[in-house]
Amino acid sequence: QKEVEQNSGPLSVPEGAIASLNCTYSDRGSQSFFWYRQYSGKSPELIMFIYSNGDKEDGRFTAQLNKASQYVSLLIRDSQPSDSATYLCAVNEAGKSTFGDGTTLTVKP
Amino acid sequence: DAGVTQSPTHLIKTRGQHVTLRCSPISGHKSVSWYQQVLGQGPQFIFQYYEKEERGRGNFPDRFSARQFPNYSSELNVNALLLGDSALYLCASSLGGATDTQYFGPGTRLTVL
Repeated sequence: QKEVEQNSGPLSVPEGAIASLNCTYSDRGSQSFFWYRQYSGKSPELIMFIYSNGDKEDGRFTAQLNKASQYVSLLIRDSQPSDSATYLCAVNEAGKSTFGDGTTLTVKP
Repeated sequence: DAGVTQSPTHLIKTRGQHVTLRCSPISGHKSVSWYQQVLGQGPQFIFQYYEKEERGRGNFPDRFSARQFPNYSSELNVNALLLGDSALYLCASSLGGATDTQYFGPGTRLTVL
């Protein structure tokens, strides 16, 4: 079992819809959690980080963390075609980040 | 402010050769981490350096080595290249705290023939 699990997708949503991306992790000692967006052939770009249980909102993005369930999610509201990319979940412990293999999102106009 | 820079952008090597990849962190960042990303997978942790000391090492063979310089820039060296070393090599910089956000450079695409 991988330390960080994501649905590989592809996840397809129409423009304007809400996209929901999920991630589970195995190490209960994990301290911080990150979502990165990666366009094809490019490096990961930070979208959000979350440290505490609950929700954190930044513009159209909301990260949700539940440490008891070892679950972190990312919601993208009003999805745009430019949001089409692979979304990577990363879990950080003692400065080392462990990544999932990403979920590919396609937003159709 | 300049972000994380990496050089070269692309590199083609043959099996058995060695390669050196370079990274300059964001100004003020003291920690550099290296990751390998093969197609279709997430980045895999190779090394983390903080204040010139190795802080962490991933599950990679001894052919992989790295160092950090007094100006916090870093080099990743890979010896005796194998076809399976073909990947995107990513450098990430952070302030150095345990929960710090890591910011990635553009990566070096290594192809081993």
